[in-house]
Amino acid sequence: AQRVTQPEKLLSVFKGAPVELKCNYSYSGSPELFWYVQYSRQRLQLLLRHISRESIKGFTADLNKGETSFHLKKPFAQEEDSAMYYCALRGSQGNLIFGKGTKLSVKP
Amino acid sequence: DVKVTQSSRYLVKRTGEKVFLECVQDMDHENMFWYRQDPGLGLRLIYFSYDVKMKEKGDIPEGYSVSREKKERFSLILESASTNQTSMYLCASSQTRGSGYTFGSGTRLTVV
Repeated sequence: AQRVTQPEKLLSVFKGAPVELKCNYSYSGSPELFWYVQYSRQRLQLLLRHISRESIKGFTADLNKGETSFHLKKPFAQEEDSAMYYCALRGSQGNLIFGKGTKLSVKP
Repeated sequence: DVKVTQSSRYLVKRTGEKVFLECVQDMDHENMFWYRQDPGLGLRLIYFSYDVKMKEKGDIPEGYSVSREKKERFSLILESASTNQTSMYLCASSQTRGSGYTFGSGTRLTVV
């Protein structure tokens, strides 16, 4: 089965605290994983993809094949990071399979 | 910047109506997708298309159909709208099967 699991519906942290949004996947083969973000009243946009190994807005994510995880991390959360975050896996047909999303709330 | 434009931001339709949701992209992308987004359920794929006049069912195609007569336009059709189709509908496109997606701003459909 091809599946993405985001175990937390809501994650609330204080400004300046580290944040980790969890993502686990199920896929036979070499996975391709993404993180998308949706800020309030904005369209969904690509945050990062594992093959590019880049850091966007201070966020990083490392693919751990042993744990089948692709957790999103940021060492110091900012209020403007408050948004809905979706982890996605490229399925065998080429389409993206999304998790149910985690709402991140960063309190001042 | 690639633009994916969804014709309506908000729609209210009556049960049983035939509803058309339009999506246009302006960067000659091969692939187009329709998802619905519901709280607690994430994004679920309805239909997608990798070429003109080509369509593939996603995970929840029941009650929907699509049309792709031109490369830049991908229409989602609700044959007979029902209240359980009240949702946010997102269109996306990608240049190749290996690319990330560019999303439209969504159409919030309410069926009463």
